[in-house]
Amino acid sequence: TQLLEQSPQFLSIQEGENLTVYCNSSSVFSSLQWYRQEPGEGPVLLVTVVTGGEVKKLKRLTFQFGDARKDSSLHITAAQPGDTGLYLCAGARNNDMRFGAGTRLTVKP
Amino acid sequence: NAGVTQTPKFQVLKTGQSMTLQCAQDMNHNSMYWYRQDPGMGLRLIYYSASEGTTDKGEVPNGYNVSRLNKREFSLRLESAAPSQTSVYFCASSVGHEEKLFFGSGTQLSVL
Repeated sequence: TQLLEQSPQFLSIQEGENLTVYCNSSSVFSSLQWYRQEPGEGPVLLVTVVTGGEVKKLKRLTFQFGDARKDSSLHITAAQPGDTGLYLCAGARNNDMRFGAGTRLTVKP
Repeated sequence: NAGVTQTPKFQVLKTGQSMTLQCAQDMNHNSMYWYRQDPGMGLRLIYYSASEGTTDKGEVPNGYNVSRLNKREFSLRLESAAPSQTSVYFCASSVGHEEKLFFGSGTQLSVL
């Protein structure tokens, strides 16, 4: 059982559509990070959220940390083919970082 | 600035063989990590080193050993490889725990 559950596992949409992916857990995290991974490469950090209820925006991407610091969401507005990739959430607790299984997003032109 | 460097990029082993995956970072980071990535499982933590001289088990440590050789280098050893260890292995580093992780480009390992 994954500590962090991500949904959906796969998502295929047309260019210009909006989408939201979720990262849920029964555990509380001191911070939560979102990464994006492209084939053949390691994940690259997009954002870190720390405070319950925090909202961060990165161009067309909006990240939210749940009030109880157990879950998070990533919303993409007007998706573009360049957004295609594997989106991973990671929760920090104790001395390590634990990852969800990821959402594989495909944006078709 | 090379960041996190992993070697080798690809490796094929026979069951029972041993090998060491090498990882080095040039960012003066304190913490280093080894993850494996399998389809549908995401990244699972094998071992980590919060600081030079310390190592701790992660989620899936069985069948692996690690050495934090110095602040720069953190190696992962498979003593007797098994087909279940076929995976993509990533090394990562961070300034401290709970900080941003910087990843290497991965090692694709196949155990036949």
